[in-house]
Amino acid sequence: DAKTTQPPSMDCAEGRAANLPCNHSTISGNEYVYWYRQIHSQGPQYIIHGLKNNETNEMASLIITEDRKSSTLILPHATLRDTAVYYCIVRVVGSSGGSNYKLTFGKGTLLTVNP
Amino acid sequence: EAQVTQNPRYLITVTGKKLTVTCSQNMNHEYMSWYRQDPGLGLRQIYYSMNVEVTDKGDVPEGYKVSRKEKRNFPLILESPSPNQTSLYFCASRTLAGVPYEQYFGPGTRLTVT
Repeated sequence: DAKTTQPPSMDCAEGRAANLPCNHSTISGNEYVYWYRQIHSQGPQYIIHGLKNNETNEMASLIITEDRKSSTLILPHATLRDTAVYYCIVRVVGSSGGSNYKLTFGKGTLLTVNP
Repeated sequence: EAQVTQNPRYLITVTGKKLTVTCSQNMNHEYMSWYRQDPGLGLRQIYYSMNVEVTDKGDVPEGYKVSRKEKRNFPLILESPSPNQTSLYFCASRTLAGVPYEQYFGPGTRLTVT
């Protein structure tokens, strides 16, 4: 799996957009980018995923650069409840074998949304 | 409501006293998994199951057992707990079809072994 690099922490003002970067310069063509978050000591929560194109859902937007070596998760209007550790995960999809379904979480980015 | 439940949420026990942490999901997911989370080490997979009666070791299986007799349940068994198994445990599940890697996690079980 491609390794990811994220800043250890970021701050954001409530109501503003939070832009969380992730570098995955060794990503290969069949690897997807996934984002999960973990609010303090709760179970991780899936946010969004993408391959090449930008993606948007009710929670966030995912912007992937054209060379796919980095991506940005955007929370358009951050709230206090968005304070969490955000994990960027790169993984092959569709590979067989149970061990390939394992999620490998790095250290992530602690996003603190301030009032 | 689609969910993964775990019980108990908190448990304090003593070394050597067998315990079971239950995990149940109501989404008819084939795949279930257990992770432990420790400060500085992140989440590490303990065991996983691809379906009923199909289980396999993850990255840190020593000291743990699992079983998958029913599709919805995947209990984690510590037959002789030790202090180094003090951790925060998460159960997760996903379908083997549909949205890739959308795993659903339970709320966690905080285990302390003294």
